[in-house]
Amino acid sequence: DQQVKQNSPSLSVQEGRISILNCDYTNSMFDYFLWYKKYPAEGPTFLISISSIKDKNEDGRFTVFLNKSAKHLSLHIVPSQPGDSAVYFCAVRGGADGLTFGKGTHLIIQP
Amino acid sequence: AAGVIQSPRHLIKEKRETATLKCYPIPRHDTVYWYQQGPGQDPQFLISFYEKMQSDKGSIPDRFSAQQFSDYHSELNMSSLELGDSALYFCASSLRTASVNSPLHFGNGTRLTVT
Repeated sequence: DQQVKQNSPSLSVQEGRISILNCDYTNSMFDYFLWYKKYPAEGPTFLISISSIKDKNEDGRFTVFLNKSAKHLSLHIVPSQPGDSAVYFCAVRGGADGLTFGKGTHLIIQP
Repeated sequence: AAGVIQSPRHLIKEKRETATLKCYPIPRHDTVYWYQQGPGQDPQFLISFYEKMQSDKGSIPDRFSAQQFSDYHSELNMSSLELGDSALYFCASSLRTASVNSPLHFGNGTRLTVT
């Protein structure tokens, strides 16, 4: 059973607009949430994270929002740029070492 | 800045052969993780090491083993290879002593093809 769900396999956004990527999780014990970005033939690159004691974390064009009651996480990218086109993975950690990843959302930024 | 180095980048093996994948973590990182990503799948956690001791175990088959050496590099040993082992294998490292929630930094992976 998938503990981390990214229900949109792909998302297309115009350059300059806001990209919103969503992630849902099932276990309220998860305490640390991360977003990774992955280009073809490269490993996942860490983008931004948030701990369960916060509801928002911002880093430049990237903001992560956490809604614990809804068990929902989102990543906002604004403004979207062509170089943002990649697969974005939501990942969670719940006390053990290994991260649990969602299946990823392929973000396509259109000019 | 130095990143996680994995070798080889590509590896082709036949069924029932063995394979060894190597990972060199970011300098001073004390924790290494191995992940397997099948075609169209999300990365699946296999195993991790902290200060050369196994610290957590995920969905690693019994045919696989791993270790972390005194210089902190790690090797994933895979025996009796099966067609289903064909995947991207990622290594990641982190500095656990800095923060229990320090992010993982991934290498570019080894693509293993079993024929």
